[in-house]
Amino acid sequence: DAKTTQPNSMESNEEEPVHLPCNHSTISGTDYIHWYRQLPSQGPEYVIHGLTSNVNNRMASLAIAEDRKSSTLILHRATLRDAAVYYCILRDQGYGNKLVFGAGTILRVKS
Amino acid sequence: GAVVSQHPSRVICKSGTSVKIECRSLDFQATTMFWYRQFPKQSLMLMATSNEGSKATYEQGVEKDKFLINHASLTLSTLTVTSAHPEDSSFYICSARDSIQRYEQYFGPGTRLTVT
Repeated sequence: DAKTTQPNSMESNEEEPVHLPCNHSTISGTDYIHWYRQLPSQGPEYVIHGLTSNVNNRMASLAIAEDRKSSTLILHRATLRDAAVYYCILRDQGYGNKLVFGAGTILRVKS
Repeated sequence: GAVVSQHPSRVICKSGTSVKIECRSLDFQATTMFWYRQFPKQSLMLMATSNEGSKATYEQGVEKDKFLINHASLTLSTLTVTSAHPEDSSFYICSARDSIQRYEQYFGPGTRLTVT
């Protein structure tokens, strides 16, 4: 599985945007970029995924670099409920591939 | 959205006993289910992949005789921790892949196992 690198932790103020970076320099052409988050004592929750183009959904936006070697998850207005561990995962678009979690980024949101 | 449930949510057992954890996909069929383990302040570690009606595929270093996985139907997979020891205490999380929307994968809420 191609590897991703994320900062160990980040801090944000409530109601402000948050940009969570992810580096994946060894990404292959068939790898999708997935983001999941995990709140304390809960299972992971899907946030967003993309291949080449930027993506938006009700939870977040995903900005993908043109060379696909990095991406950024954008939370437009952080709330206290967004405090979680955010995982950036590469997954082949084939159906057989697993989601393999790295260390993730601990996001702390200050009120 | 699709829902995956786990039962029990937390369990305490004595060393040497076995514990069964159930994972159910509530509103979709799941040909493939995954089991993860998570120790405190660590990331999720994939233990095994189970396909309905066939034997599970275990990740390297995971003892298949200790962690028995059964995926008898399209909506139920079970993980049995046999002869549990305190070092097996962990947060066990299952995940299910939708048989129709085959790229979608959903996670359960997790089961906290404490072995005394």
